[in-house]
Amino acid sequence: EDKVVQSPLSLVVHEGDTVTLNCSYEVTNFRSLLWYKQEKKAPTFLFMLTSSGIEKKSGRLSSILDKKELFSILNITATQTGDSAVYLCAVVAQGQGAQKLVFGQGTRLTINP
Amino acid sequence: NAGVMQNPRHLVRRRGQEARLRCSPMKGHSHVYWYRQLPEEGLKFMVYLQKENIIDESGMPKERFSAEFPKEGPSILRIQQVVRGDSAAYFCATNPAGGINTGELFFGEGSRLTVL
Repeated sequence: EDKVVQSPLSLVVHEGDTVTLNCSYEVTNFRSLLWYKQEKKAPTFLFMLTSSGIEKKSGRLSSILDKKELFSILNITATQTGDSAVYLCAVVAQGQGAQKLVFGQGTRLTINP
Repeated sequence: NAGVMQNPRHLVRRRGQEARLRCSPMKGHSHVYWYRQLPEEGLKFMVYLQKENIIDESGMPKERFSAEFPKEGPSILRIQQVVRGDSAAYFCATNPAGGINTGELFFGEGSRLTVL
């Protein structure tokens, strides 16, 4: 069965700290890995990763994929209170006749001022 | 360009009643995915539909749950004879005909079902 596991499940840090969120996966016919940020409502897309070793960056956020070891990390530097959210990792895997996204359980990040 | 629209945003039902959740994709999107999120958990895939076709329903319970995406109108997730364990947020996500290889699914804001 396809599986995506995130760690830690919960993380509380102070504003200005740097955090690293982890995502490991076991899926059939891996296609790509995606990171989402979920505040109170709909998840919003952050990154898509398909190749190992190529870092994707967007401001203070960056992410990298290791397809050999089957994991990805999401880094956030100089955290701000607005970064508080649940961060979801998802993998595109082959389903019945079509591809689908398999999500991890999420990491709840809390940034204290 | 309106985003993915889900309604109702909140729905309260008593045990044994029916719940109908609707999802209108973004303009030009013909693929719809339904996900369920239990409190403090990640998103669990339920079903993937294209217009008038169910492509993958491997994540949907065999009984009481059904989904459709008619030629005209929104996609509907229907839960019959609801039980307390059905209480969750149900998210709809859509993307263009290119499929999820484009990397982005656009999520609606979810429908939160509470079963009393």
